[in-house]
Amino acid sequence: AQKITQTQPGMFVQEKEAVTLDCTYDTSDPSYGLFWYKQPSSGEMIFLIYQGSYDQQNATEGRYSLNFQKARKSANLVISASQLGDSAMYFCAMRGGPSGAGSYQLTFGKGTKLSVIP
Amino acid sequence: DSGVTQTPKHLITATGQRVTLRCSPRSGDLSVYWYQQSLDQGLQFLIQYYNGEERAKGNILERFSAQQFPDLHSELNLSSLELGDSALYFCASSGPGSFNGYTFGSGTRLTVV
Repeated sequence: AQKITQTQPGMFVQEKEAVTLDCTYDTSDPSYGLFWYKQPSSGEMIFLIYQGSYDQQNATEGRYSLNFQKARKSANLVISASQLGDSAMYFCAMRGGPSGAGSYQLTFGKGTKLSVIP
Repeated sequence: DSGVTQTPKHLITATGQRVTLRCSPRSGDLSVYWYQQSLDQGLQFLIQYYNGEERAKGNILERFSAQQFPDLHSELNLSSLELGDSALYFCASSGPGSFNGYTFGSGTRLTVV
């Protein structure tokens, strides 16, 4: 079974500062993918960044980077130069290898609520 | 616009009733996944369809059912609704092949009163 743990229910960060959101995972699949999604108060799920288990380099997408430590089973999201619009819920999710039926569903953590302070 | 269309956006209904949520996947995507997001359970996978066939089941109640039609749109049917079914229901789609990313719809917010 796959499990995602986000230990920070809420985080505060000063505008223009960097912030790290923690995510640890557990899986027995040798091949997996890790995702981060942003959910603003409007409710939609916005894809931020993806890291494959065999990727040699940490993923980066603009102000978002993923600190992937495979041996520790952690995939922390780093947001640089925080903006007021970054205030939202952030979810870490994992896609494991296919189940016997070839399914690739995501397993989500409980999320971290990030508040950016002016 | 993500390319995944969910209707309706909001739904208010009474306990015991039945509702149908609709999802049109992104063009070319064969897989549709349904997720439920509630305050106490978080984001839970319900069910997946691939090209019209059920592919995987998650934490879906027996009162809930889904199907995917030949045009690849999917419907999630919720019956005998209870207060605890109030949640945000997401549909996501992914492309053909083993894996090709996920695109989420904007969700249907269901309120059972």
